[in-house]
Amino acid sequence: AQSVSQHNHHVILSEAASLELGCNYSYGGTVNLFWYVQYPGQHLQLLLKYFSGDPLVKGIKGFEAEFIKSKFSFNLRKPSVQWSDTAEYFCAVICMEYGNKLVFGAGTILRVKS
Amino acid sequence: EPEVTQTPSHQVTQMGQEVILRCVPISNHLYFYWYRQILGQKVEFLVSFYNNEISEKSEIFDDQFSVERPDGSNFTLKIRSTKLEDSAMYFCASSTRQGVWQPQHFGDGTRLSIL
Repeated sequence: AQSVSQHNHHVILSEAASLELGCNYSYGGTVNLFWYVQYPGQHLQLLLKYFSGDPLVKGIKGFEAEFIKSKFSFNLRKPSVQWSDTAEYFCAVICMEYGNKLVFGAGTILRVKS
Repeated sequence: EPEVTQTPSHQVTQMGQEVILRCVPISNHLYFYWYRQILGQKVEFLVSFYNNEISEKSEIFDDQFSVERPDGSNFTLKIRSTKLEDSAMYFCASSTRQGVWQPQHFGDGTRLSIL
């Protein structure tokens, strides 16, 4: 079965620190990859997506992610976090041969200290 | 930006009762989904719906669950006889397809508490 692993459940950073959240998926076929963010009390929002082409994708709010096919990874990065980035981050994958359902990772709670 | 809206935000129901969770997808979207997140667990796919029929469902989506698009705007999830383990956050999502799949947009969720 397809699965998504997020390496850290809780991350605490100070403002201006760099962020990297790990995400690995287990599926050898064609994938679409996503990072969603959920701010406290709000709905899941799309941060960025990878469908094809340039494996380095840029999203909203200064986030980017790199798809490394050989490592089955799609890590999320931000060079300098802000207090307002405090949220839960979810990596998700669509395995194209299995329809359009999203398979989510467990989520990483990021707390940024001001 | 258009949004997916879900009502109610919180539903408390006695075990064994029926519950209907409502969603209004984004107006030009054609694909609709329900996901759930049990506290402390992953967001899990329940069902997808297209062209007035279920296109895919997970093993969680058993005979107690049903979905319906009763009119041109609403998309509902019904749980016929709720169990304690149905307590979760339920998310509705919608998407469109314009040559390639477009990302799914999520609602705020309905927190379902079964007593």
